[in-house]
Formats: sequence, C-alpha cells, structure tokens
Amino acid sequence: NAGVTQTPKFQVLKTGQSMTLQCAQDMNHEYMSWYRQDPGMGLRLIHYSVGAGITDQGEVPNGYNVSRSTTEDFPLRLLSAAPSQTSVYFCASGRGDRGPYEQYFGPGTRLTVT
Amino acid sequence: AQSVTQPDIHITVSEGASLELRCNYSYGATPYLFWYVQSPGQGLQLLLKYFSGDTLVQGIKGFEAEFKRSQSSFNLRKPSVHWSDAAEYFCAVGGSGSSASKIIFGSGTRLSIRP
Repeated sequence: NAGVTQTPKFQVLKTGQSMTLQCAQDMNHEYMSWYRQDPGMGLRLIHYSVGAGITDQGEVPNGYNVSRSTTEDFPLRLLSAAPSQTSVYFCASGRGDRGPYEQYFGPGTRLTVT
Repeated sequence: AQSVTQPDIHITVSEGASLELRCNYSYGATPYLFWYVQSPGQGLQLLLKYFSGDTLVQGIKGFEAEFKRSQSSFNLRKPSVHWSDAAEYFCAVGGSGSSASKIIFGSGTRLSIRP
C-alpha cells in the first residue's frame, strides 16, 4: 500500500493564481482531511470528509474548496492564491464510523505564494 | 466546539531524564484525545489515543498519557527520553457524536534533548 500520497511536493504560485493540491489514499478509509501547518500555530483543519459526496468545513476553510467524488481522492482547490496561504499542507485519512480512530498523514505539500 | 491548548512551546530535557508534555482540552462531553509526533522534515505519526475506558493509555516508543477529566488534561509522559525523541509533539481532540469528525490540533510542543 502506498498509504496517503500528495502531489506536488513543492509549489510556487503567484498571487491570484489557482491550483489544486492532490491527495489520494489506497486504504479504503472513509475519512479524509486537509490541514495547514504554520510555525507556532500547529495544524489547523481546513476541510474534512466522512465519505464520498460528504464534505464539511474545518477551522480555516476560507479560500479553499474541496470535493469528494470517490473514496480514494480528496483534492484541495485554492481559488485565488494569496500570500497568507503560504504554508505546508497535509492530507490525512482514517477509518472510523463516527470519526477517525487514527489518521494517517501524507508527506505534505509546501506551497509558497508570492 | 472542541479546542486544545499546549502551554509549552519548547522544552529541553537531558537524555535519560523523564518527560511530561502538557495538553489541556475544552469539550463539554467525553472527548477523543490523541498525541501525534512529527520528526524533523517528516509527516505525523500517531503515538497513542484515548476514546474511553482506562484513563492511562500506552502508546508506541514507550510513551503513555493519562486522561484526567477533572483537570481537562491529557498529558504525555515518558520515563526516560532518548535523543531520537527530539521532535514536535501535537495533542489533538475530537468530540463525540457529530463532532467526532472534527479533529482539532494544538499548536505543538517542540522537544529538544540535551546530550
């Protein structure tokens, strides 16, 4: 199993550009999530999904969109990038019927917005 | 809504010494509680979790944590640290019911080991 994979590993965007961060898992987990990690602020939850077709907002959803058309994939879209979105983004997946009993994290995507 | 606080930003301990990292949560009912570790340049790995039952939980790498409802705490402990334990440690909380899916992380505690 590859676990949780994220692409790209690094990305530089100009302000106003859009892009999609890809996340895929091959563990048949119902639950998937996106976090951003900034120095001194830990991980902040952006969006999460408890199954295909179901998504919900986390702590910091503004400026990001998600969809969950399959169990395996959970892409994160930046609609119009801003310097405040410079961060490291982690995708995670987990099994659990009411919430993830354990989350498995991907390696992260380091995004810089200039 | 649940929240979690890690009051210590950075802790340094000597190799072989004991360790306690503090975590305080806010949630009205019994929470789900987690500790994750992030080694330099690495992703996150689950150390241990608490859902219910025995309030002292054992994890990987010799770590344990104790859930104290009266203090709203879930502190992480290790009796003797090794240089390889240098990393950032995150406490996380999930609620129950419909809040179980929203896992909120603390700001982290960076652990340094003095030789």
